[in-house]
Amino acid sequence: SQTIHQWPATLVQPVGSPLSLECTVEGTSNPNLYWYRQAAGRGLQLLFYSVGIGQISSEVPQNLSASRPQDRQFILSSKKLLLSDSGFYLCAWNYGPVYTFGSGTRLTVV
Amino acid sequence: SQQGEEDPQALSIQEGENATMNCSYKTSINNLQWYRQNSGRGLVHLILIRSNEREKHSGRLRVTLDTSKKSSSLLITASRAADTASYFCATDASLVAGNMLTFGGGTRLMVKP
Repeated sequence: SQTIHQWPATLVQPVGSPLSLECTVEGTSNPNLYWYRQAAGRGLQLLFYSVGIGQISSEVPQNLSASRPQDRQFILSSKKLLLSDSGFYLCAWNYGPVYTFGSGTRLTVV
Repeated sequence: SQQGEEDPQALSIQEGENATMNCSYKTSINNLQWYRQNSGRGLVHLILIRSNEREKHSGRLRVTLDTSKKSSSLLITASRAADTASYFCATDASLVAGNMLTFGGGTRLMVKP
């Protein structure tokens, strides 16, 4: 069966520290992969998407970056976190019209 | 920018009542989907309605789509406390490969026992 793993579930990081969030998908090949950010009580903001290994498209200019080193692995990174990077980060994949989401990472930058 | 906009932003009802949420969008779509999000969790797909469909049912869920008005509604009948969650509509935008969804801001539903 197809599953998606996202970790960690919560993270508290100081301003200026680096960030690495990982997302992996099992049970499918060549999925489209997405990183979203969600502010408290708000909708989803698309950050990055990838249609294949090494192919990353950015929707919003920011100090975050994404990489796809393997077919089913999607990483969200930052060299130096800002307070405004706090939020709920969601990874998702799709191969058809329906998206499957990970359980999310709550990032608090202090 | 958000393609779909839900209305109302928040809804509070008593258990057993029906809950209706609306979604409006701006451009032509291939399909419209509704997702549910429990607090602090990921989104879960509920139902998909294609642009050539007008109504679809799944259990206690009923979705309508009016492409002439660019709007959709999600009806949850006989609501339960466990239905408390945020509900998002999502519409597709064509990509070279794959289907990219744009999500609305969501409706926060609270069902009081």
